[in-house]
Amino acid sequence: GENVEQHPSTLSVQEGDSAVIKCTYSDSASNYFPWYKQELGKRPQLIIDIRSNVGEKKDQRIAVTLNKTAKHFSLHITETQPEDSAVYFCAASSNTGANNLFFGTGTRLTVIP
Amino acid sequence: GAGVSQSPSNKVTEKGKDVELRCDPISGHTALYWYRQSLGQGLEFLIYFQGNSAPDKSGLPSDRFSAERTGGSVSTLTIQRTQQEDSAVYLCASSANFRVTGNTIYFGEGSWLTVV
Repeated sequence: GENVEQHPSTLSVQEGDSAVIKCTYSDSASNYFPWYKQELGKRPQLIIDIRSNVGEKKDQRIAVTLNKTAKHFSLHITETQPEDSAVYFCAASSNTGANNLFFGTGTRLTVIP
Repeated sequence: GAGVSQSPSNKVTEKGKDVELRCDPISGHTALYWYRQSLGQGLEFLIYFQGNSAPDKSGLPSDRFSAERTGGSVSTLTIQRTQQEDSAVYLCASSANFRVTGNTIYFGEGSWLTVV
């Protein structure tokens, strides 16, 4: 099955700086890569996703890049704000077989005001 | 309902007792997932229901864990003879069409289980 690894496990940045979280996956058939944000005590919520037919996607201060050859994808948050502080999870899914979604272990991002 | 609904939101049970956790997915969603999240940890896959097909049970940690989905809608996760290590948040999620990759998965608020 799919194995998703995520780094770093914790990340602290100054407000206004950029944050980058990286994930790798093992199943070359994976073709959908969402990112979820989980605030303390809340449910995970989708913030951005990318499909394997594109290499980059942006939504305001958030961008995701995908390198299919290397089987890794990254989340980039620019001009970080305190409300960006949360745990971020990457995930991977393929449409071969079960369409299951496999998550990374999470990155706890702290934005220091 | 508007979102994925889970009950109970909090459950404290004695070691050795059985518990049932309920998930009511978004209406019309054919895919339903259960995940477990221990304090400060990641999302551990438990089981995945895909329409009327056999569920993917590969994530269930032991035979004390089971789940069913009746009528393609509501799902119940049952933990028998609970142990302290079962204490965690149990998150249910659903998505619109298991046949199509890339459908957004929506999570419920979770059921916080504490085994004492």
